Amino acid sequence: SYDLTQPPSVSVSPGRTASITCSGDKLGDKYTSWFQQRPGQSPVLVIFQNNKRPSTIPARFSGSNSGNTATLTISGTQAMDEADYYCQAWASRNVVFGGGTKLTVL
Amino acid sequence: QITLKESGPTLVKPTQTLTLTCTFSGFSLTTSGEGVGWIRQPPGKALEWLTVIYWNDYNRYSPSLSSRLTITKDTSQNQVVLTLTNMGPVDTGTYYCAHISGYNSPADWFDTWGQGTLVTVSS
Repeated sequence: SYDLTQPPSVSVSPGRTASITCSGDKLGDKYTSWFQQRPGQSPVLVIFQNNKRPSTIPARFSGSNSGNTATLTISGTQAMDEADYYCQAWASRNVVFGGGTKLTVL
Repeated sequence: QITLKESGPTLVKPTQTLTLTCTFSGFSLTTSGEGVGWIRQPPGKALEWLTVIYWNDYNRYSPSLSSRLTITKDTSQNQVVLTLTNMGPVDTGTYYCAHISGYNSPADWFDTWGQGTLVTVSS
C-alpha cells in the first residue's frame, strides 16, 4: 500500500512562514491536495493539483510538489490558521491521506 | 453552490450493518466527471478514505475495507448510500461525504465536504 508521511506537529510565530511537508514514494509524479481542519469542523480544501487554490482560500496558502515531497506553505501565518492539515493523493486509483499535522501558531 | 449532508444512525451495535446516506445539491451524478466519496475519522485521529463513486458507476474501495463496503447512487434522489457490514468499536467515528471535482482521474480533488455524522459502535 502507498503511505503519505507528515510531521505530527509544526509550530510557527504569527506573521512568519509555516511549511508542512508530506512525503511519499515518487509523490512528485502524483497530484496532491491539502485540507485544513479546525477543531469540530469538516475538512476544507486549501490546495488541489499540487499548487492550485480554490477561490475562497487566501493567497497566503501555496503548495508545491517535487521528488518525494509535497509542501504546503503558509506565508504571514495568522492565528486563524491554527488547525490540523492533511495531505492527500491518489495511488493506483485509490485515495490516500497523510496522518495529519497539527499547526500551532504561537 | 454545492452542498452535501450525511444522515443515518448515530449508534449501532457490534456486528450490525451501518447504512449512511449522503444527500447532495448543486450537481448531478448524471453529469460526466462528477463523483462522491466517503471518508471517516475516528475521534482524535486522522482522516481515512473509504470509497468513491462516479457518474458512470465507476467505484473504488479502500483495500483494507473492501470486503465490508458497498457504495451505490440514486440519481433521481441525488443521494449516495454507503453500507459497512459487521461493525465493530474501531469503526466508531465521524463519517463524511465529499464532492469530487475532476475527470475521474488521479488529478481529481475533494472540493466540498458535508458536515459529517458521528457514528458510535457500542452494545
